[in-house]
Amino acid sequence: AQSVTQLGSHVSVSEGALVLLRCNYSSSVPPYLFWYVQYPNQGLQLLLKYTTGATLVKGINGFEAEFKKSETSFHLTKPSAHMSDAAEYFCAVSLYSGGGADGLTFGKGTHLIIQP
Amino acid sequence: DTGVSQDPRHKITKRGQNVTFRCDPISEHNRLYWYRQTLGQGPEFLTYFQNEAQLEKSRLLSDRFSAERPKGSFSTLEIQRTEQGDSAMYLCASSRRRSGNTIYFGEGSWLTVV
Repeated sequence: AQSVTQLGSHVSVSEGALVLLRCNYSSSVPPYLFWYVQYPNQGLQLLLKYTTGATLVKGINGFEAEFKKSETSFHLTKPSAHMSDAAEYFCAVSLYSGGGADGLTFGKGTHLIIQP
Repeated sequence: DTGVSQDPRHKITKRGQNVTFRCDPISEHNRLYWYRQTLGQGPEFLTYFQNEAQLEKSRLLSDRFSAERPKGSFSTLEIQRTEQGDSAMYLCASSRRRSGNTIYFGEGSWLTVV
C-alpha cells in the first residue's frame, strides 16, 4: 500500500521568503510523485511531477521539487514567495505515472499562507 | 483542450434525496476518475473508468453510490438516499492512457446534505 504524509497542515512565510512544503511517501515499489495546488473553491492544478529520470523536477510558477529515494521525500520549494502562491498544496503518489489502477493517493494538504 | 467540466458546481439537497453529478472529460481522454474531498482533507479516490469500463472501485464507494460512463465519454455519479456524511466536494478528473500522462481535474461539484 502507498501513503503520503505532509508535514505541517499550515505553513506561513513572508512575501519574498523561501517556501518549503514537506512531503514523505511510502510505497512498496518505485513511485510516481506529484504536487498539485488548489485555490479556494477550485479543482486541483498540477504543479509538477516526478516519473523517472532527473530527480530535481521543475514545475510551473517557479516551484520545484527533489525526489530523494533514500529519504522517501519529495519536498516542494520556491525561492521567493509571492502573494498569489497562497493556496492549498497537495502531494500525491501513484504506482503508475498517470495514476492508473488505483488513481492517486493524496496527502492531507498544506495550507500556504503568505504574509505581506 | 477545454478542460474537465463538472455540473452542477453546487448542490444542496435534503437527506434521503438522490443526487446526480455529471462530468465531461477532456476530449480524447479515455480514462476518467472520481474523487471525493471533505473539508481539510486531500481528495480520496472513488472509482475510475477506462473508456466505458469501470475498472476500479474504492471501498469508499458504498452501495448508495453508482457511477457510469455509458459511451466512454461523459460520466455520471449518482448518490442515492443521501446522508449528511455525503457532504463533500466530488472531483472528476481525466487522462490519456499512456505512460507519463497527467491527470487533469475539474473544478468539482460541492454537495451539501441538510
